[in-house]
Amino acid sequence: EAQVTQNPRYLITVTGKKLTVTCSQNMNHEYMSWYRQDPGLGLRQIYYSMNVEVTDKGDVPEGYKVSRKEKRNFPLILESPSPNQTSLYFCASKTFGLAGRGGGYNEQFFGPGTRLTVL
Amino acid sequence: DQQVKQNSPSLSVQEGRISILNCDYTNSMFDYFLWYKKYPAEGPTFLISISSIKDKNEDGRFTVFLNKSAKHLSLHIVPSQPGDSAVYFCAGMYGGSQGNLIFGKGTKLSVKP
Repeated sequence: EAQVTQNPRYLITVTGKKLTVTCSQNMNHEYMSWYRQDPGLGLRQIYYSMNVEVTDKGDVPEGYKVSRKEKRNFPLILESPSPNQTSLYFCASKTFGLAGRGGGYNEQFFGPGTRLTVL
Repeated sequence: DQQVKQNSPSLSVQEGRISILNCDYTNSMFDYFLWYKKYPAEGPTFLISISSIKDKNEDGRFTVFLNKSAKHLSLHIVPSQPGDSAVYFCAGMYGGSQGNLIFGKGTKLSVKP
């Protein structure tokens, strides 16, 4: 089954304790991205990657790191989490080729989300 | 600067009637628009999209209309069903296939039986 998986789904941690949220896709997609969803703010992009070893900042990158060493994986790293990073996080991927119901290359496939609470 | 605006946080509709979700944008460089649907405890799922060179795209009960001169698009759901109750996100993108999505804040649709 074509999918994007994230782990963990739920995480409660304390300020300053480094954590990693993993993201993996099995569709051989070139593009991967991380978003956070907050009440009243919608989905905001944190980081994205066009391909292996190619990453770039989104709209809200402060406090986050990413890496793209393999095409299928795109982990999100919080080196020193703070309470303002409490949020719902989504990983997504897409291909640059013609695919998807969207009539082409623009459809992003999202993971199920990771609910992070930083105390 | 909010490039994609969904000004109605919520919408309530009776089952069988039409649901109309609206979206406005400011970035004239957007060349593609997408609608995503999100249920609680799940990730957003793609619903329907439209190219900026079109003014309408239809997929079953879902139709998206684009008015470029007004920088406005709308999603019509006819007939609405209780299972359509979800948060709907409008998104714009530019830069071709390598562009990023810019999302609105979402509209929560409730379809009452």
